[in-house]
Amino acid sequence: GEDVEQSLFLSVREGDSSVINCTYTDSSSTYLYWYKQEPGAGLQLLTYIFSNMDMKQDQRLTVLLNKKDKHLSLRIADTQTGDSAIYFCAERLNTDKLIFGTGTRLQVFP
Amino acid sequence: DSGVTQTPKHLITATGQRVTLRCSPRSGDLSVYWYQQSLDQGLQFLIQYYNGEERAKGNILERFSAQQFPDLHSELNLSSLELGDSALYFCASSVEGGGESYFGPGTRLTVL
Repeated sequence: GEDVEQSLFLSVREGDSSVINCTYTDSSSTYLYWYKQEPGAGLQLLTYIFSNMDMKQDQRLTVLLNKKDKHLSLRIADTQTGDSAIYFCAERLNTDKLIFGTGTRLQVFP
Repeated sequence: DSGVTQTPKHLITATGQRVTLRCSPRSGDLSVYWYQQSLDQGLQFLIQYYNGEERAKGNILERFSAQQFPDLHSELNLSSLELGDSALYFCASSVEGGGESYFGPGTRLTVL
């Protein structure tokens, strides 16, 4: 089936690392994505990883993929108040459509 | 700026009416996708077009239809609108088989 799950909330202190987790069920995923949505705004593509990769790093962002467990995580190093937003995990199936998780609301406090 | 444009940004209309949302994909992208974001349903895939032809269909109601034109822009038509159709409608585009999938800023539809 097509199901992507995320925890709803995460609260971290400014300067700490944030780790947002995601699990998915469809093993035919080709790519997995992380999108950021700020209040009243659209979806901003943060990063994505091809399904045959284990890790991808892009500046403060690190994506880890455990294909065996169908688990994806996004680590944000040195989290800033500007990182406060909703983060969506999504899997791209071989049909090209994206299946989104429910989103994790990240709150960064000083 | 993702390169995907959507108009209008906001739309307020009444139940029973019909509206058209417009999307222009990024230059070079042949695939266009429509998604609906609502509080109760989250982000739901509606429909995909590739180079003018329907490629995949998701949870799209029969009252909704879409098309992609020769210049690759796409329109989503919503008819016989109901209160529950109030949502953010996003368009996205991508290169076929490519990893990057970019979203437009969305159209916020309010049905009164």
